[in-house]
Amino acid sequence: NAGVMQNPRHLVRRRGQEARLRCSPMKGHSHVYWYRQLPEEGLKFMVYLQKENIIDESGMPKERFSAEFPKEGPSILRIQQVVRGDSAAYFCASSPTGAPNEKLFFGSGTQLSVL
Amino acid sequence: GENVEQHPSTLSVQEGDSAVIKCTYSDSASNYFPWYKQELGKRPQLIIDIRSNVGEKKDQRIAVTLNKTAKHFSLHITETQPEDSAVYFCAAPPGSYGKLTFGQGTILTVHP
Repeated sequence: NAGVMQNPRHLVRRRGQEARLRCSPMKGHSHVYWYRQLPEEGLKFMVYLQKENIIDESGMPKERFSAEFPKEGPSILRIQQVVRGDSAAYFCASSPTGAPNEKLFFGSGTQLSVL
Repeated sequence: GENVEQHPSTLSVQEGDSAVIKCTYSDSASNYFPWYKQELGKRPQLIIDIRSNVGEKKDQRIAVTLNKTAKHFSLHITETQPEDSAVYFCAAPPGSYGKLTFGQGTILTVHP
């Protein structure tokens, strides 16, 4: 089992560009959670997705950010017109059924740097 | 929604001493309490978790205790080693699905 795979590991963008972060959940997992971690801070929930559905996007900024988890392929977190404040580590996690007492397994994260 | 408070924010101990990190939560419906360890530049890794039907769980040098009445849970690390140095996060799930709300983190430093 390859675990949760995220790519790229590092992403550098200039202000105004778009950033696309990918997450492939563990085999057999159909629930994906995205978290953002600012330098020296904790993990902040952004969005929870099931295949083809957004279940909870309460932690995601209303503008410039979007997420999807298509029937085929990885989950994508998309940030349009990036600004310096978007610089952070973005982690995704997956679980089998989304039940509230399930373990979440995290990917290695994508470190986004905005110049 | 769930609110998770974690203390202390930093903890410095000598090798061989014990370390205790405490968390409180607000949602009385929460029934699952994991602890994650994160080393610099790496992913959060689950080190131990407890469900609400038990009061304590041990795994070698690590233990977690839960007090549902008081809505707090604690991580205990005995015989600390320098490789235990990391940031530790507690978490709890609000609502009816597996989204986790994390505490602010504790930077643990174990001095040789």
